[in-house]
Amino acid sequence: EAQVTQNPRYLITVTGKKLTVTCSQNMNHEYMSWYRQDPGLGLRQIYYSMNVEVTDKGDVPEGYKVSRKEKRNFPLILESPSPNQTSLYFCASSFRGEGGYTFGSGTRLTVV
Amino acid sequence: GENVEQHPSTLSVQEGDSAVIKCTYSDSASNYFPWYKQELGKGPQLIIDIRSNVGEKKDQRIAVTLNKTAKHFSLHITETQPEDSAVYFCAAALDSNYQLIWGAGTKLIIKP
Repeated sequence: EAQVTQNPRYLITVTGKKLTVTCSQNMNHEYMSWYRQDPGLGLRQIYYSMNVEVTDKGDVPEGYKVSRKEKRNFPLILESPSPNQTSLYFCASSFRGEGGYTFGSGTRLTVV
Repeated sequence: GENVEQHPSTLSVQEGDSAVIKCTYSDSASNYFPWYKQELGKGPQLIIDIRSNVGEKKDQRIAVTLNKTAKHFSLHITETQPEDSAVYFCAAALDSNYQLIWGAGTKLIIKP
């Protein structure tokens, strides 16, 4: 089944404790992206990658890092999480933007 | 840069009636306009999209219209059903960079 898999689905952590949210797609998509979704603010892009070893900042990159060492994986790293990063996070992938994006099921992160 | 405005933020319609959600965009160079549906607890899912060389596209009960001159596009859902209840997002993009600029979302409520 073609899908984008995010893990974990839910995560509660403490301020300053480094964490990684994994994202993997099995569709051989070049394009991958991370979004955060907050009430009233819609979907905001954090980082995106147009191919292996090619990443760029989205609209809200501060406090986040990404890497794209393999085509299928695009992890999101929070080196020192803060409470304002409490949010619902989505990973998405696309074949060069055509045919739309496939989204993962989301990761609900709470930083206390 | 591109800006996408979406209206209304909430739409309540009687089951069986039609629903229309409207979006306007600012960058006349945008040429790809997808619509996504997000059900509770899930990631957004592409339901229909349109490119700038087409004025209208239909898929069963769903249709999208595009007016390039006025820079607006709309989602039309006919014969609404309870399973249509969700949040709908519009977006706009340039094919060249695959970056989706998102509307803020419309919560569609189907009343029985």
